[in-house]
Amino acid sequence: EVQLLESGGGLIQPGGSLRLSCAASGFTFNSYAMSWVRQAPGKGLEWVSAISGAGDATEYADSVKGRFTVSRDNSKNTLYLQMSSLRAEDTATYYCTKCSATCWHAWFDPWGQGTLVTVSS
Amino acid sequence: DIQLTQSPSFLSASVGDRVTITCRASQGISSYLAWYQQKPGKAPNLLISVASTLQSGVPSRFSGSGSGTEFTLTISSLQPEDFATYYCQQLNSYPLTFGGGTKVEIK
Repeated sequence: EVQLLESGGGLIQPGGSLRLSCAASGFTFNSYAMSWVRQAPGKGLEWVSAISGAGDATEYADSVKGRFTVSRDNSKNTLYLQMSSLRAEDTATYYCTKCSATCWHAWFDPWGQGTLVTVSS
Repeated sequence: DIQLTQSPSFLSASVGDRVTITCRASQGISSYLAWYQQKPGKAPNLLISVASTLQSGVPSRFSGSGSGTEFTLTISSLQPEDFATYYCQQLNSYPLTFGGGTKVEIK
């Protein structure tokens, strides 16, 4: 069974940094692209970032470009999202999700349970 | 960026009703559209990929159709467990955008 388990969320002050992790199991991790999607409280879904299976190609939403960095450690079956210069509008539940060989021209399945990031002073 | 417009944003329906949700793309996306269901406090769940492919384990009352710029998600006979919010997502080009969602509530 494919499982994705996010961690690392919490309360952080504006301008601060935080690193989210997503531990994956039940599939050959390095064969699949992965994505991060976020959802602000009471709002819709927003795609954040994607990374290829080898980790050599990344994509970002304009809203986080230059502030967030997606990476992965295939030896640990773990996906990361390094977030810096955090703003109040980054407050959201962050989900990691598995794509196919790519996220482009594919779909997101399954999703982790999410980790809540709250940016507030 | 490709914008996705879902309609309606809110839908009130009864058990047994046929429900149709529309997703319109601001430019052609071929068939690279997925539909997700999200229940309160839970992660989204993939229902349909590539516009019309039903995912394993998803009830056959769900169906998807369309290509290009107009897509629909149909629930043929609404069941109590189907009351949720539904999102479309385009996977034709980055950024991979979502529609604003359609909340389906009990009439």
